[in-house]
Amino acid sequence: QTVVTQEPSFSVSPGGTVTLTCGLSSGSVSASYYPSWYQQTPGQPPRTLIYSTNTRSSGVPDRFSGSILGNKAALTITGAQADDESDYYCVLYMGSGISVFGGGTKLTVL
Amino acid sequence: QVTLRESGPALVKPTQTLTLTCTFSGFSLSTSGMCVTWIRQPPGKALEWLARIDWDGDKYYSTSLKTRLTISKETSKNQVVLTMTNMDPVDTATYYCARIYSNNYPSLFDSWGQGILVTVSS
Repeated sequence: QTVVTQEPSFSVSPGGTVTLTCGLSSGSVSASYYPSWYQQTPGQPPRTLIYSTNTRSSGVPDRFSGSILGNKAALTITGAQADDESDYYCVLYMGSGISVFGGGTKLTVL
Repeated sequence: QVTLRESGPALVKPTQTLTLTCTFSGFSLSTSGMCVTWIRQPPGKALEWLARIDWDGDKYYSTSLKTRLTISKETSKNQVVLTMTNMDPVDTATYYCARIYSNNYPSLFDSWGQGILVTVSS
């Protein structure tokens, strides 16, 4: 089964820019995988940030952006803030109704 | 306002069958393109997509769990039910249901329930 890969952890300084990626164990991520990104804080359900590669969900600040970088989907946070410290998950649509989450990235802002 | 709420047992024994219900409001699963999906998260671990049911009754399952899962809907009651057979302690997790408001955006889970923690233990 195809595995969706994410960096286990990342750190960014307040005000800095960070790019998290979402790849495949075999092959390249493209827009046809409809990559989406979710933010989760402890004890809460995930919050939708980005869907279909680069569309921001309602109410999401424009410092969050999505793209395809090389062979991966990417989530870029520009001007990181303390409350961006969260777990970030990507999900890819594999076709035939099936979606697969990545292992998540724990982002530290310090 | 769209809301979803998961309900079911908090504790099940190994080998038992888990039945979870997602009760939703603010949308209808008879609307073309609408879907409901189940996702779980073991304590301290990553999210895992489990299953999806569409407005037209199509059903889809995680490749690794499809032999154990059944998803169904009761449209008139605004409910989606997930059953998982042969439960094991590794299935201990918070189980979420979520809405996919259009199958044109199949990985957009735009509204989530609060989740229900299910523990598998004898």
